[in-house]
Amino acid sequence: QKEVEQDPGPLSVPEGAIVSLNCTYSNSAFQYFMWYRQYSRKGPELLMYTYSSGNKEDGRFTAQVDKSSKYISLFIRDSQPSDSATYLCAGRHTGGFKTIFGAGTRLFVKA
Amino acid sequence: DADVTQTPRNRITKTGKRIMLECSQTKGHDRMYWYRQDPGLGLRLIYYSFDVKDINKGEISDGYSVSRQAQAKFSLSLESAIPNQTALYFCATLGQGAKNTGELFFGEGSRLTVL
Repeated sequence: QKEVEQDPGPLSVPEGAIVSLNCTYSNSAFQYFMWYRQYSRKGPELLMYTYSSGNKEDGRFTAQVDKSSKYISLFIRDSQPSDSATYLCAGRHTGGFKTIFGAGTRLFVKA
Repeated sequence: DADVTQTPRNRITKTGKRIMLECSQTKGHDRMYWYRQDPGLGLRLIYYSFDVKDINKGEISDGYSVSRQAQAKFSLSLESAIPNQTALYFCATLGQGAKNTGELFFGEGSRLTVL
């Protein structure tokens, strides 16, 4: 079993839709949870991070972690064509220097 | 200029050839990483280094070797390339970043095709 599971999609939505991207993880030691965004032919870039359980909001993006169910979510409100990218969830334990990634979900937002 | 630079960006080679992918960074970070990305599998860690004298294997190090020539340079070698090493390879550095979270900073990737 992979430590971080993520449906690779693709996921296609119309512009303006609310997007929900989800991951599950198995390593109970994870304390840091990240979402990286990767545009075509580019390297991933950190989009959001959360420490332990809870929500974090940044503009149209909300990251959510539920440690009791080992569930990680990213919500995108009012999605735009510029949000079309691959979104990778990731986890890391405190003091750890290895970030473990999910497979990445490819998102298409149609104008 | 990019903070993490990978060369070459694209390479096509034949089975059995030795290949080196190079990475240099200007971020001043000590920790550097090599990942490979495959469709449906995400990013998998090959090797990582905390400094010039500290090299560690990741989850898929077989068939690969690395060299940390300096704080800013970390190269990945395939001694005898095979077709299932066809993938997109990323170098990354680990820093605190503006978000103060142990953020990985990635290069733009090196696409390797082994025929």
